[in-house]
Amino acid sequence: TQLLEQSPQFLSIQEGENLTVYCNSSSVFSSLQWYRQEPGEGPVLLVTVVTGGEVKKLKRLTFQFGDARKDSSLHITAAQPGDTGLYLCAGLTLLFSGGYNKLIFGAGTRLAVHP
Amino acid sequence: DTGVSQNPRHKITKRGQNVTFRCDPISEHNRLYWYRQTLGQGPEFLTYFQNEAQLEKSRLLSDRFSAERPKGSFSTLEIQRTEQGDSAMYLCASSFERIGEQYFGPGTRLTVT
Repeated sequence: TQLLEQSPQFLSIQEGENLTVYCNSSSVFSSLQWYRQEPGEGPVLLVTVVTGGEVKKLKRLTFQFGDARKDSSLHITAAQPGDTGLYLCAGLTLLFSGGYNKLIFGAGTRLAVHP
Repeated sequence: DTGVSQNPRHKITKRGQNVTFRCDPISEHNRLYWYRQTLGQGPEFLTYFQNEAQLEKSRLLSDRFSAERPKGSFSTLEIQRTEQGDSAMYLCASSFERIGEQYFGPGTRLTVT
């Protein structure tokens, strides 16, 4: 069974602080996606990382895929109240003979940024 | 707006009743997925369609659950004889071929009383 573990589960910080969220697995993934989810809404795709060691930046958010494609991190610089939400990582499994890649989600990191 | 849409957004039903949810994917996407999400957890895969063919079902999908995608466009998820444990957010997502990036709808929150 492929699992993705996210840490921390909860994070409460002040506006302007930096933070890092981790997503770890013992399995190799074809790619890894990060989503943000607001209460009562579906997850919204932030970024997809595909290559081991890849780093992508989205304004104040920096995403990194581990060299072995088993882990990823999300770093937010100078967090703002608008960053508040549930951050989910999801790994796309390697392609099996059936031709289907499955998306496996972590349990999420709930971030609260206070003014 | 051409994103994934789901209806209804909320459904409250009594235990034992049947419910049906609808998902309209992004029009050019041929792959459609159903997930279930409970409080404090990430989405869990239920089933997947490529065009009109249902290609995989999770063991979470008991025989009370059935999903269809009759014309390869919209999909429905039916739960028969609902139980309180079925209370959750049901999410639909779609993607194009093997690109893998899945785009989610807003979800249907089911409450079974």
